Amino acid sequence: IAGITQAPTSQILAAGRRMTLRCTQDMRHNAMYWYRQDLGLGLRLIHYSNTAGTTGKGEVPDGYSVSRANTDDFPLTLASAVPSQTSVYFCASKQLAGDTDTQYFGPGTRLTVL
Amino acid sequence: GQNIDQPTEMTATEGAIVQINCTYQTSGFNGLFWYQQHAGEAPTFLSYNVLDGLEEKGRFSSFLSRSKGYSYLLLKELQMKDSASYLCAVVEGNYQLIWGAGTKLIIKP
Repeated sequence: IAGITQAPTSQILAAGRRMTLRCTQDMRHNAMYWYRQDLGLGLRLIHYSNTAGTTGKGEVPDGYSVSRANTDDFPLTLASAVPSQTSVYFCASKQLAGDTDTQYFGPGTRLTVL
Repeated sequence: GQNIDQPTEMTATEGAIVQINCTYQTSGFNGLFWYQQHAGEAPTFLSYNVLDGLEEKGRFSSFLSRSKGYSYLLLKELQMKDSASYLCAVVEGNYQLIWGAGTKLIIKP
């Protein structure tokens, strides 16, 4: 059992390019989340999905889109990357109405936009 | 507004005890988490408090006072591997999670 996997591990991207960060979980959790983590700031929620087929906006959604076609996958797309999107991106999942709302995190993707 | 405050950095000695504080002001409260994050790695779950009082789990304990908007994480018998950032996160009234910026703990021999 892998838990949550993310790909790629790291990426350097030219500004203006499109990029999709992948996230897959095998725990059958219904809720999934995308965060970005920047130095000196807490984790900030970008988008979330409480169940397959539904998505919602978090604190910093601009410039990002998500889809949730099935339970396991929750890709995050940057349509036209900008340098301010340089960050570490974490995907997380949890079982809604399960044990104490604990979120489990993937290993992260380190993205640099030049 | 929403606010979670933790010290930016703390230093402690191997074998000692350290207390990391977290104060919060949020829209409603449905619990408080502590996570550990080693450099370059993902956050991992440490503890969850929803009722006032102390929860003990081995060398780590977490305390909550809802009336004071305050929690702390207590680490005993510090080991070098405890060097990490410790993240406080509050579950708001709408069940969204709000994260503090984290406390970087440096353990010295």
